[in-house]
Amino acid sequence: EVQLVESGGGLVQPGGSLRLSCVGSGLTLSDYWMTWVRQAAGKGLEWVASTNQDGNEKVYVDSVKGRFSISRDNDKNSLYLQMNSLRGEDTAVYYCTREALRSYGQIDNWGQGTQVTVSS
Amino acid sequence: EIVLTQSPGTLSLSPGETATLSCRASQSVGFYLAWYQQKPGQAPRLLIYDASYRATGIPARFSGSGSGTDFTLTISSLEPEDFALYYCHQRYNWPITFGQGTRLEIK
Repeated sequence: EVQLVESGGGLVQPGGSLRLSCVGSGLTLSDYWMTWVRQAAGKGLEWVASTNQDGNEKVYVDSVKGRFSISRDNDKNSLYLQMNSLRGEDTAVYYCTREALRSYGQIDNWGQGTQVTVSS
Repeated sequence: EIVLTQSPGTLSLSPGETATLSCRASQSVGFYLAWYQQKPGQAPRLLIYDASYRATGIPARFSGSGSGTDFTLTISSLEPEDFALYYCHQRYNWPITFGQGTRLEIK
């Protein structure tokens, strides 16, 4: 069974930083594009960032470019999201997700999510 | 950016009825569209991928259809556990996008 387990969320002041981690089990992370998706309370799903299998290709939503950085350590079967210069609008549950292994493969597995709250 | 527009925003039906949810893309996504179900406090769950293929373990009462810009999720003979939020999603083009969701509520 595929499991993605996020950690690292919490309460942080505006302008602060957090690093989210996601550890995979039941899959070889290095086979997949991996993606972070967030969801503010009562709102819809928003794509944040994605990275390809070896981490050389990274794509970000415009609102986080220059502030967030996605990375991975395939030896540890782990995905990360370094979040700097955090703003109130970054407050959300952050999900680690896996994209299916085929062309234009949609997200097929989700972690349980980790809450990030940006507030003074 | 490919905008996914879901309709209706809220759908009120009774158990045993059939639900028809729509997702319209602002430009073609081919067959590369997925549907998810989300319940309160839970992560989304994949129901349908590539427009019409049921994910592992998804009951046959869930079916998807469509291509290009118009897609439909049909849930026949609604069960009490089907009342939830539903989202569509495309990975055909960057940025990855999601629809705004359809809430399926008990009438």
